[in-house]
Amino acid sequence: EIVLTQSPATLSLSPGESATLSCRASQSVSSYLAWYQQKPGQAPRLLIYDASKRVTGIPARFSGSGSGTEFTLTISSLEPEDFAVYYCQQWNNWPPGVTFGPGTKVDI
Amino acid sequence: EVQLVESGGGLVQPGRSLRLSCAASGFTFDDHGMHWVRQAPGKGLEWVSSISWNSRTIAYADSVKGRFSISRDNGKNSLSLQMDSLRPEDTAVYYCARDHNYGATERLSSFDFWGQGTLVTVSS
Repeated sequence: EIVLTQSPATLSLSPGESATLSCRASQSVSSYLAWYQQKPGQAPRLLIYDASKRVTGIPARFSGSGSGTEFTLTISSLEPEDFAVYYCQQWNNWPPGVTFGPGTKVDI
Repeated sequence: EVQLVESGGGLVQPGRSLRLSCAASGFTFDDHGMHWVRQAPGKGLEWVSSISWNSRTIAYADSVKGRFSISRDNGKNSLSLQMDSLRPEDTAVYYCARDHNYGATERLSSFDFWGQGTLVTVSS
């Protein structure tokens, strides 16, 4: 089973600052990686898929990079609505399976 | 507008069964794989199960394998999760989610739409 590790666990920043979130896989997942944002009481929202492709409607300040085992989500200038928990996720097709990372909380 | 609405959650005793449903609308249901994901109170996301568009590919997390069963009815645009032999550690909000891939593919992808979830509490 592929294990995802996210760092840091918590990121304390101010609006306008840049955030860099890391996700590391225990073995290569190619580009089969996504990033989600979750706010309290809400379902997760897909931000980035295939490591670097931004979902339609997601602001350009969100960007994803990486491949293999090392991935990064960057939020270039934090808006008040960006303070949330962010999860990375990987999937493999044989055998089929999905793993989520433990999450990074971005707080003020 | 894509909508996924879960139902069937509630309080259940350990060892008993519960069946969750997810009603889908706003998209061609049999064009997409579907998934169940859960989140225990105050914890992170845990993948539970996935099913391909044609039900030929099904996968489960080790934590639920042999106890949970996923199914879908493309004629009724619905997804189900039969949960047997429930344990206290199964207590969570259960979300159904749509696979980002579309078309006749068995391949998994990211989850682009999620329901609001249904709470399952396993306790005596």
